[in-house]
Amino acid sequence: DAKTTQPTSMDCAEGRAANLPCNHSTISGNEYVYWYRQIHSQGPQYIIHGLKNNETNEMASLIITEDRKSSTLILPHATLRDTAVYYCIVRSRITGANSKLTFGKGITLSVRP
Amino acid sequence: ETGVTQSPTHLIKTRGQQVTLRCSSQSGHNTVSWYQQALGQGPQFIFQYYREEENGRGNFPPRFSGLQFPNYSSELNVNALELDDSALYLCASSLGGAAPWETQYFGPGTRLLVL
Repeated sequence: DAKTTQPTSMDCAEGRAANLPCNHSTISGNEYVYWYRQIHSQGPQYIIHGLKNNETNEMASLIITEDRKSSTLILPHATLRDTAVYYCIVRSRITGANSKLTFGKGITLSVRP
Repeated sequence: ETGVTQSPTHLIKTRGQQVTLRCSSQSGHNTVSWYQQALGQGPQFIFQYYREEENGRGNFPPRFSGLQFPNYSSELNVNALELDDSALYLCASSLGGAAPWETQYFGPGTRLLVL
């Protein structure tokens, strides 16, 4: 799987939008961008994924650049409960390929009151 | 809540012992993946089971083994425990097969401490 690069940490104020960047410059056309988050000592929680188009669900929005080399996860109104480590993962969509998730160190988001 | 459950939640073992961790997959899911997460690191893929067969393995020694049962629940067995095996063990279930990229949903994990 292609590797991703994320900043180590960032913070934002409660109620404001949190924009979490991710670089995946070697992504191929057969790879999705997935985002998970992990609140301290819990299992990772699926947030959203996309291939080319921007995606939105009840948790977040995912903006993927036209060249697909980077993406941004947007939490529109961050709350204290959004404090977590956020992982950006590139994952193959080829049938028969190993469908493992390859986690990096992620970005630690701290939401301040 | 993902519907994926793991047991036990915590476990303490001594070096050289053997341990079995259990995972019940979300209803309708036929694939279980296991990950090891050391303190301060991201989860690392151990192996995956699809319809009771191993379907991919990460860089872990043979003393890490697994099983998947007809109801798609799974076990992770670790023999000859070492201090470095202390970690959070996570399982994730998904609907595999023709769509291996289907989203994986994680359980809460089992925290293993080896003394």
